[in-house]
Amino acid sequence: DAGVTQSPTHLIKTRGQQVTLRCSPKSGHDTVSWYQQALGQGPQFIFQYYEEEERQRGNFPDRFSGHQFPNYSSELNVNALLLGDSALYLCASSRGQGRNIQYFGAGTRLSVL
Amino acid sequence: RKEVEQDPGPFNVPEGATVAFNCTYSNSASQSFFWYRQDCRKEPKLLMSVYSSGNEDGRFTAQLNRASQYISLLIRDSKLSDSATYLCVVSPTTSGTYKYIFGTGTRLKVLA
Repeated sequence: DAGVTQSPTHLIKTRGQQVTLRCSPKSGHDTVSWYQQALGQGPQFIFQYYEEEERQRGNFPDRFSGHQFPNYSSELNVNALLLGDSALYLCASSRGQGRNIQYFGAGTRLSVL
Repeated sequence: RKEVEQDPGPFNVPEGATVAFNCTYSNSASQSFFWYRQDCRKEPKLLMSVYSSGNEDGRFTAQLNRASQYISLLIRDSKLSDSATYLCVVSPTTSGTYKYIFGTGTRLKVLA
């Protein structure tokens, strides 16, 4: 049973560029949440997708956008990259919208130069 | 004030020691509580859920005090393999949607 998979594992971009990160949820899961983890900090909630809609959003600017596909996989897009966007981006999947445990992927480490 | 606060540590303890971590949260509407473990440069992994009645899993005991908005984790008989960052997680609900709010994490290093 595959867990949560994310791609790519590492990415290097320059300021102003755009990036797309991908996530496939754990089998049987239909909800995907994205988090940003800066060095030395806990993960920060970006947004959550369920039934192909953004259901809740954290305190992130509109440069951060996402999408969920019919097969429940998801993408995170970040436009106009800033140096401060350098972080580990984690995807978590869960079942439904209830109080269900979230399982995390290994993350994508983004470096913005 | 941060929504979830943890002492960042590091806590350096000898093998076999007992160590306790604490966490406070500000949102009284929070519904679910967890401890996750994160190894260096890896993803967070669920250690245990936290209930008001307290729960124990082997050497690990977690406790929730809703009145004081306080969560604790106790590790007994520490092993070298327990060295990691322990993340306190609080999950409030907004319109039926649950998100995770993480503390900054507490670093534990168990010394031989």
